[in-house]
Parts: sequence; C-alpha cells; structure tokens
Amino acid sequence: DGGITQSPKYLFRKEGQNVTLSCEQNLNHDAMYWYRQDPGQGLRLIYYSQIVNDFQKGDIAEGYSVSREKKESFPLTVTSAQKNPTAFYLCASSIRSGTAASYEQYFGPGTRLTVT
Amino acid sequence: RKEVEQDPGPFNVPEGATVAFNCTYSNSASQSFFWYRQDCRKEPKLLMSVYSSGNEDGRFTAQLNRASQYISLLIRDSKLSDSATYLCVVNTGRGGGGFKTIFGAGTRLFVKA
Repeated sequence: DGGITQSPKYLFRKEGQNVTLSCEQNLNHDAMYWYRQDPGQGLRLIYYSQIVNDFQKGDIAEGYSVSREKKESFPLTVTSAQKNPTAFYLCASSIRSGTAASYEQYFGPGTRLTVT
Repeated sequence: RKEVEQDPGPFNVPEGATVAFNCTYSNSASQSFFWYRQDCRKEPKLLMSVYSSGNEDGRFTAQLNRASQYISLLIRDSKLSDSATYLCVVNTGRGGGGFKTIFGAGTRLFVKA
C-alpha cells in the first residue's frame, strides 16, 4: 500500500536534547512538508522540500533542521534551540509543488513529541 | 486578521441534520481550496477539493464564493461518524513564485444520536 509513514508515534525527550523525527513516503511524490499542530491552532509550516537535495524554510523554521537526501525521506530534527518543542508533528507530501497550486497534500499519522 | 478564518464551533447537531460551515480567506489571489477532516489525535485527511463551479460528493457539497472570499462545506443527513474537526485549506501564491498552503484552525462538529 502506498502512503506516508512517521515514526515514532510518541516520543519523549528531556529538554536540551536534539531529536529526529522520521518521515517516509512511497507515493513517488516530489514535494514533502513538515508541520506542527498545537491545540486550538491551525497547522503551521516548518520546512518544505520541492525536490531532492533542496528545501526551504516555512513560517516557523527556527530551532528545526531538515534534510532531503532521498526522494522518499524527509527527516526533521528538533534541536535544543526550539523554545517550545512539545507539539504534534505532521509530515505531508504532494505530487509536486510550484506555481500550479492545486496539488493536495497527504499526511502521515504524525508524531507526538513531549519535551520535559 | 488571520489569513484563513473558521468558526471553531463546536457545532452540536442531531443525526440526520444538515449542517454548514464557512471559511473566509483574506488574499483575493488565492488559487485553490480544500476541505480536510481531522479526527481527534489523528492526521488530517483530504475530504474534497473546492472548485469554482462547486462540487458534490455524496452527502457533502463544497462551494467557493470568490467575490466574498469564502468557501463553504455542507453536510446533509449527518451521521455519528461525521463527528470530527473540519479544516479549511487555502493555497496562495508566494512572492517570487511558488505558493503557500494555509490551514484554518478548524471547526469542530459533534453529531449526536
């Protein structure tokens, strides 16, 4: 079955530690995205990638880093510089990205990160 | 003013009722629109795209009003399983090319027996 997987589902870390969230897709999609969701708020874009070896900052990139070495994979690292890392992190992909903005995004099941 | 605004609800309706949600957007140059459904503690799932001519999928009807800058979602004959949060999503062009996707905070729907 084609889809997007994220692991782990739940993650607990101590403050000051970096943590990497996994996102893999086998949909052959060019574009991938990372969002965070906080209670009562809409999804906010952290980073996105339109093609392998390229990525751009979203609206709230500070304290996060990404890589896109393979088309299928787009891991997100939450660094110790992120002030409020506890959130629900969602990875998504779309066929492509660009000026033709009609491409819908498909989401993975998400990772709930709790930092104490 | 938020770029995409939704009434957070909750909307509490009995089974079989018809319920409608609106979503307003601020950028008149917005290009594409979607409704997603999100169940509690789950990922959003695409419900339907919203076309200029409107579209219908079973009990669900989505419409776009560009003049007033809003999209709507109508659910007829509500089922218990329709209980969820409905997210409005708008794609808007970025300066320099490309586009950005903006998610509304969602409208919560509870359908009761």
